[in-house]
Parts: sequence; C-alpha cells; structure tokens
Amino acid sequence: KAGVTQTPRYLIKTRGQQVTLSCSPISGHRSVSWYQQTPGQGLQFLFEYFSETQRNKGNFPGRFSGRQFSNSRSEMNVSTLELGDSALYLCASIPNPGQNYGYTFGSGTRLTVV
Amino acid sequence: DAKTTQPPSMDCAEGRAANLPCNHSTISGNEYVYWYRQIHSQGPQYIIHGLKNNETNEMASLIITEDRKSSTLILPHATLRDTAVYYCLSPGNTPLVFGKGTRLSVIA
Repeated sequence: KAGVTQTPRYLIKTRGQQVTLSCSPISGHRSVSWYQQTPGQGLQFLFEYFSETQRNKGNFPGRFSGRQFSNSRSEMNVSTLELGDSALYLCASIPNPGQNYGYTFGSGTRLTVV
Repeated sequence: DAKTTQPPSMDCAEGRAANLPCNHSTISGNEYVYWYRQIHSQGPQYIIHGLKNNETNEMASLIITEDRKSSTLILPHATLRDTAVYYCLSPGNTPLVFGKGTRLSVIA
C-alpha cells in the first residue's frame, strides 16, 4: 500500500511570507497529526484531525493552522513566517484516533525561512 | 497521560543486546506503554507496545515491571542500523507527545 505522502519535500521562504504544506495519509486512515521538529525543541505536537475536525491542538501560536478534507488529506498553514519556524514538519497517518500503535509518519517537509 | 523519563544517551556494541529503560511512575492502570524510534532525518517508526504483560515482535521485546512503573525495550542483537533516538510514550487518550528520548549509538 502507498505510504504517507508529504509535499513539498523542501521549501525555502522569506520572513513574513506564508506557507502551505500537504499530507496525504495512507488509504483508509482517517486521522492525521502534524508535528514540528527542530534541533532545539525536538519533536513537538501541532494538531490532530479526524473527520475534518481538529480534535487536539498543541501549544503553538495562531499563525499555525490546519484543516482536513473529506478524503482525509490534510494541509497545514503557517502565516507571517519567522526564522524560528525553520524546521522539519512531519505528518502522521493514523487509522483512527487513539490507535497509538498505528502512527505511520511521512518523510516530512523541510522548511527553511530566510 | 503519564510522564516518562529516559536516559539521554546509551551506547551498545554491535551484536549485543541493547536494553533501553523507561520510567513511567505515574502511569494509570489502563494506559499502555508505546515505543517508537527515529532514525536520522526520517519520521518516527512504531516498534512495540504493551499494557502489563511482556511483549515480543520481530523488532524487539518489551519488559514491563509488575508495578508498571517502568519498562525496558530490548533489541536482542543490535546492528548499526538500530542507531536512532528511541522514544517511550504513555499518552493515554491524547495524541502521541514525544519527549527527548534516548539516543542509542550502536558501535562496531
């Protein structure tokens, strides 16, 4: 079966711009979680979506937002980019919420803000 | 969710067993313990999970103490490809939240 697809793989943006990242989960998986990974802070939870609804949100400012479509694909958006937003953004595909053994991660989008 | 504590780093000789400890003293009776690992520049990968019985799969074994306050992940014959950061999690009903984990270095 196809894995988790994240696009784009790499992205360079300038401060103040906005960016949209995409995640296509494994077919049949209905939940998607997003994570930000930086060398200093490690892997931090951003948000979780199920059935087009945000179920949980991490401790990030409102500049970070996301959504999920009816086909379970998800996008996350970061507005007014800051240098500190440079990170690897990972998407996890989950069969259903609460199936904590079932996380399959994509390869991530590496965002560089200059 | 239970707070977990892991040593920041460990070394293991190639071919030997790697034993990675995790403390989860605040775990409640129905919370599972999950282990994931992250190889450099890749997303985390599920390894194994358990509630109170010891578990084994093709990747590893999980030993949970009787009081459930700690557990040990065992890689029976570590290889260089097992070099990674290993995360022990007990999220309860919340999404997975990763701590710092243990950086395991397998040495030839």
